[in-house]
Formats: sequence, structure tokens, C-alpha cells
Amino acid sequence: SQTIHQWPATLVQPVGSPLSLECTVEGTSNPNLYWYRQAAGRGLQLLFYSVGIGQISSEVPQNLSASRPQDRQFILSSKKLLLSDSGFYLCAWSVGWQGNTGELFFGEGSRLTVL
Amino acid sequence: KQEVTQIPAALSVPEGENLVLNCSFTDSAIYNLQWFRQDPGKGLTSLLLIQSSQREQTSGRLNASLDKSSGRSTLYIAASQPGDSATYLCAVANQAGTALIFGKGTTLSVSS
Repeated sequence: SQTIHQWPATLVQPVGSPLSLECTVEGTSNPNLYWYRQAAGRGLQLLFYSVGIGQISSEVPQNLSASRPQDRQFILSSKKLLLSDSGFYLCAWSVGWQGNTGELFFGEGSRLTVL
Repeated sequence: KQEVTQIPAALSVPEGENLVLNCSFTDSAIYNLQWFRQDPGKGLTSLLLIQSSQREQTSGRLNASLDKSSGRSTLYIAASQPGDSATYLCAVANQAGTALIFGKGTTLSVSS
């Protein structure tokens, strides 16, 4: 069966420090991968999605970047965190597009607090 | 730009009551619609997925309907239980299927 792992689960970082959140999927190949952010009162916001290695689409211009160095690995990064980057970050995957129902599966999330 | 709205934002009901959560979207050109459940501080769990060609899906006490032409979906929960207390999120996928746009959710509280 497929599983998705995210880490770290919680993170407290000072303003201006770098960030790296990692997500890996097991039990499937060539998944579509997504990073979402959930901020208080704002709902889930799609940040990045990827349909393959090295293929990243950004939905919202911001202080963050994403990379997909391997088929089932998705990394969210920042060189210098802002206070506004605080939130709950969720990684998700879906079956690669051919014959895909589009059902999305989420990880447990990473809570980032920037002080 | 697709916008998804969920009404009500919060709902409190006694145990055993049947209830309906509403979701509306502005662009009817969708690939599918999903309902999720989120417990506090946790990730999202997929409840039901309705393809754009379908009218409804059922899983246990849950039934979701889709009216694409009017841009509406409902999630019906039968015989609610305290364990159903959570935030319920509706999301629609664009026609390319590359992105899911979420509503802000309905927070449900079921009292025993």
C-alpha cells in the first residue's frame, strides 16, 4: 500500500533562517506531488505541484521554492524565512496523470512557527 | 479563477442528527470534487471523490452529491456521532487535474 511521510512534524525557526521540509511517498511510482500551506483563517493554499522529476510548477509567488530530486521525494525550501511563512505545511500525492481519478492523499503535515 | 465556498463555517448538532454540509464553486469546468476530513493538528483524510461525470458517491453513513451545472456539492452525514467531530473540507480539481482548490471548511461538533 502507498504511504506518505513528512518531516519534521514541528519546527520553530527564527526570521531569516533557512528552511527545508521533506516529503517522500512509498508504494507508487511517478506520482504527482503537491505542497499546500494552511494558515489560520485562510484555508489550504496550493504552493507547488510536480508531475515528474525536476518539473515544478509554482502557484503563488513567494519566499519559498520546491524541488523534486527523485521520483518520490519532494522538498520545500526557503533561504530566508519571514514571519508570514508560519503555518501548517501539507504534502500530498496523487496517481500520475494517465488514467488518474485525481484522488489526493495527504501526509500528516509539518507545523512551522517563525519567530 | 476558481473559488470554493463552504457554508456554514461551523455547525453544532446533537448526536444522532442527520446533517448536510454545503460546498459551492464558481467554475463548473472541473475534473472532480473531493470531500476531506481534518482532525485538529492533523493532515487531511479523503472521504469521497466524485468524478465530474458522476452525480453522487456513498461511503457508509456519508453521501456526497455533485451538481456541476449549478456549481454545488453537498455532503450528507447520517446519524451523526461524536467521532464525526472534525473540519470537513471540499476541494475541486481543475480540468487539467493539476491542482485542487479548497474551501475553508466547515467545523462540525457533535455532542453526546
